[in-house]
Amino acid sequence: NAGVMQNPRHLVRRRGQEARLRCSPMKGHSHVYWYRQLPEEGLKFMVYLQKENIIDESGMPKERFSAEFPKEGPSILRIQQVVRGDSAAYFCASSPTPGPLGSGNTIYFGEGSWLTVV
Amino acid sequence: SQELEQSPQSLIVQEGKNLTINCTSSKTLYGLYWYKQKYGEGLIFLMMLQKGGEEKSHEKITAKLDEKKQQSSLHITASQPSHAGIYLCGARSTATGANSKLTFGKGITLSVRP
Repeated sequence: NAGVMQNPRHLVRRRGQEARLRCSPMKGHSHVYWYRQLPEEGLKFMVYLQKENIIDESGMPKERFSAEFPKEGPSILRIQQVVRGDSAAYFCASSPTPGPLGSGNTIYFGEGSWLTVV
Repeated sequence: SQELEQSPQSLIVQEGKNLTINCTSSKTLYGLYWYKQKYGEGLIFLMMLQKGGEEKSHEKITAKLDEKKQQSSLHITASQPSHAGIYLCGARSTATGANSKLTFGKGITLSVRP
């Protein structure tokens, strides 16, 4: 049973270019989360998606960042016009449908995509 | 928003020693998750705790959630170099599944000296 698959693992972009990070959730998981980890900082929530829906994007920067999880295919985190400050590790996680109170589900993480902006 | 404090910030132990690390919140923890991360790699799920007083063990690692569900501890018995890494605790911010994102602490870096 394959885990959460992220690609590319490493990505180098020049300032002003676009970065696209892909995430295929675990089989049977319909919920995807994106997190960003900056050097010396913790893991910060960005966005939570279900198929074709954004459930919570409270952690997404208002500009240049977008995320989607189409009916078919992987979830995509897109960063337009990248700047040096976007250099970070971006992690995707997935879970099955969250249960009601008292029946939480495990959230599994991928290996991450390391973005370097030069 | 919920904030998780992890302590100590870092820890160096001699191989074979026991150790305990903590994760504390000022608010009720609705689902407490422990993960381990090696530098430059992804997060490996260790354990999830939900009920007050709950305790789970896997191999030499035991995690507990206190009765008030505001503090969790992770205990490693007879530490080995393979236990070295960053330990992250994460918690759900609400009781219901509708907002099931996890908020994480900053992590605890564990080094094990052979």
